[in-house]
Amino acid sequence: ETGVTQSPTHLIKTRGQQVTLRCSSQSGHNTVSWYQQALGQGPQFIFQYYREEENGRGNFPPRFSGLQFPNYSSELNVNALELDDSALYLCASSLESVGEQYFGPGTRLTVT
Amino acid sequence: SQELEQSPQSLIVQEGKNLTINCTSSKTLYGLYWYKQKYGEGLIFLMMLQKGGEEKSHEKITAKLDEKKQQSSLHITASQPSHAGIYLCGAGALDSGGYQKVTFGTGTKLQVIP
Repeated sequence: ETGVTQSPTHLIKTRGQQVTLRCSSQSGHNTVSWYQQALGQGPQFIFQYYREEENGRGNFPPRFSGLQFPNYSSELNVNALELDDSALYLCASSLESVGEQYFGPGTRLTVT
Repeated sequence: SQELEQSPQSLIVQEGKNLTINCTSSKTLYGLYWYKQKYGEGLIFLMMLQKGGEEKSHEKITAKLDEKKQQSSLHITASQPSHAGIYLCGAGALDSGGYQKVTFGTGTKLQVIP
């Protein structure tokens, strides 16, 4: 059984640029949730994708968008990067939209 | 929206000592998760509690959910350096659309001194 993987591990971008982060869900899981974790804080829910449809969204602006593919892997896109977007981005997969969430190792994004 | 408060924010204990971390919710908890995180890494699932009064144990870690389902505690017995990390409680809730959103507390940083 393959766990949740994320790429890249680390990323440095300049303010105003766009970034795409990737997540492969655990085998058999059809739901992916994305979280943003600022330094010293708990993860904040961005959105969830269930069977390729956005299935809920936290308090994040539209420049945060996502996709889920037929194999249930997912992308998080952030446009017009701001300094405050610097954080650890975590994805979690689960079996169905309700269930235990298994987290990937995260992508550390730094915006300069 | 659901707010989760964890206490203490940080904890330093000597190896072999017991410790307790608390998680208090502003609303009734319908699913309470405990995760452990090493600095800058992903979250490792520890336990999930759903029923009032429920208690689960895994190795030297025990988690409890109170009868009113607004408070949970995580107890570590005979702590070891491998227990060091950030412990996060998370509350699962279904919104009107039926999706699950997990709201996390700010975490408790645990250091275990050999």
